[in-house]
Amino acid sequence: DTGVSQNPRHKITKRGQNVTFRCDPISEHNRLYWYRQTLGQGPEFLTYFQNEAQLEKSRLLSDRFSAERPKGSFSTLEIQRTEQGDSAMYLCASSSMTTVNTQYFGPGTRLTVL
Amino acid sequence: GESVGLHLPTLSVQEGDNSIINCAYSNSASDYFIWYKQESGKGPQFIIDIRSNMDKRQGQRVTVLLNKTVKHLSLQIAATQPGDSAVYFCAETYSGYSTLTFGKGTMLLVSP
Repeated sequence: DTGVSQNPRHKITKRGQNVTFRCDPISEHNRLYWYRQTLGQGPEFLTYFQNEAQLEKSRLLSDRFSAERPKGSFSTLEIQRTEQGDSAMYLCASSSMTTVNTQYFGPGTRLTVL
Repeated sequence: GESVGLHLPTLSVQEGDNSIINCAYSNSASDYFIWYKQESGKGPQFIIDIRSNMDKRQGQRVTVLLNKTVKHLSLQIAATQPGDSAVYFCAETYSGYSTLTFGKGTMLLVSP
C-alpha cells in the first residue's frame, strides 16, 4: 500500500498523559499536513510541513500541541497533558510539489481521553 | 465503527438513482475545490477536483459542477450504489494558500 499511513489507529489515554502520533506520507510527497476532526464536523487544519520545514503552525490548538518532521519524511504530532476536549480523530495528509493542493489523507488516529 | 455523520444533512436515495450533493463555499477567492468521501472510521478519500477556470468536470460516475457566481459546488453521482454510502465533504482553497477549508458535510444513505 503506497498511501498515507498513520499509527496508531486508536489511542486511549488518561487525562494529563502525553500522546504521540506518527504519519508516513506518500513517498514522493514533500508536503505533509495535520488536521483534527471532531464528530459530525469536517477536518480542521492544524499545521503543515514542506520537507522538514514547518511553514504554518499558528493554527495549532494550544501550546500543548507540537509537530515535527525531522528528516522530511515521516512526521509526529504530540499532545502534552491531554484533556478530554482533545478527544478527536487526528488526520494526516500529504501532497506533491506539482499538485500542492491535492491532498491525500491517511486513515487517521482516533484519540480518546478518559 | 462510529459515525462521522451525526447532526449532518442527510440524503437518502435508492440504489440506481442519481444523487446530487450540494455545497456552498465561503471564500470568493477560492480557486480550487475538492470533493472527498469519508466512510465511518476512515480518513477522507479524494473523489474529484475542479479549478475555478472550469464549471464542470467529469470522472467515473461522478460529475462536479461549479457556479462561481453564487459560490456553489455540487457533486453528482450516477447510478448510486450501496458502496457510495458515506459522508461527503467539499473542500476549498486558493492559489498560494496551502490548507483546505472543509464544508460541513452531507451523509449519503443508499438503500438496496
